[in-house]
Amino acid sequence: QKEVEQNSGPLSVPEGAIASLNCTYSDRGSQSFFWYRQYSGKSPELIMSIYSNGDKEDGRFTAQLNKASQYVSLLIRDSQPSDSATYLCAVLYSGGGADGLTFGKGTHLIIQP
Amino acid sequence: DADVTQTPRNRITKTGKRIMLECSQTKGHDRMYWYRQDPGLGLRLIYYSFDVKDINKGEISDGYSVSRQAQAKFSLSLESAIPNQTALYFCATSDFGLRQGRYTQYFGPGTRLTVL
Repeated sequence: QKEVEQNSGPLSVPEGAIASLNCTYSDRGSQSFFWYRQYSGKSPELIMSIYSNGDKEDGRFTAQLNKASQYVSLLIRDSQPSDSATYLCAVLYSGGGADGLTFGKGTHLIIQP
Repeated sequence: DADVTQTPRNRITKTGKRIMLECSQTKGHDRMYWYRQDPGLGLRLIYYSFDVKDINKGEISDGYSVSRQAQAKFSLSLESAIPNQTALYFCATSDFGLRQGRYTQYFGPGTRLTVL
């Protein structure tokens, strides 16, 4: 069974601080990992993808992957009120003809001005 | 113009009615997906299609059917709608790079469906 676990929050972070979002997944065969941002009532928007162990940085965002621990995280530096949203962790497991992303339930992030 | 469009954007219907949600894309992707999103349950995969002749059930396909009319069009039908199918429905498309794992999924704006 493919599962992706996230703390639902809300996670409250002061403006300008670092927001740290975490995700664990159950399937060791997973190869690709994604973070989506979703504003209320809107569609998910891809903000980061990561495929190899270690860190990947893109602007204020850093994704971290540890396949041995089956753990993915997202760091948001210099948090802004516009970062307030739900962040969805998603994992791609392609095997046996299966496809499509398995999503966590999301972490609701609130950046306090 | 949006790359992935969904119609209708909002729909209210009654129990037992047949409903079709439509999705069109201009990205030229072969792979298309239907998800539903419920509060507290996240996004769950209903059906996916690799091409016009290849359609597969996802995690929660019971009560739904799909049709891939063309590479660019993928429709979701509820043959006899029930209240617990009230949800936000998203269509998505994806590319899949030649190298393993190079994958991006693009979502449409969503359809909010209410079944009374």
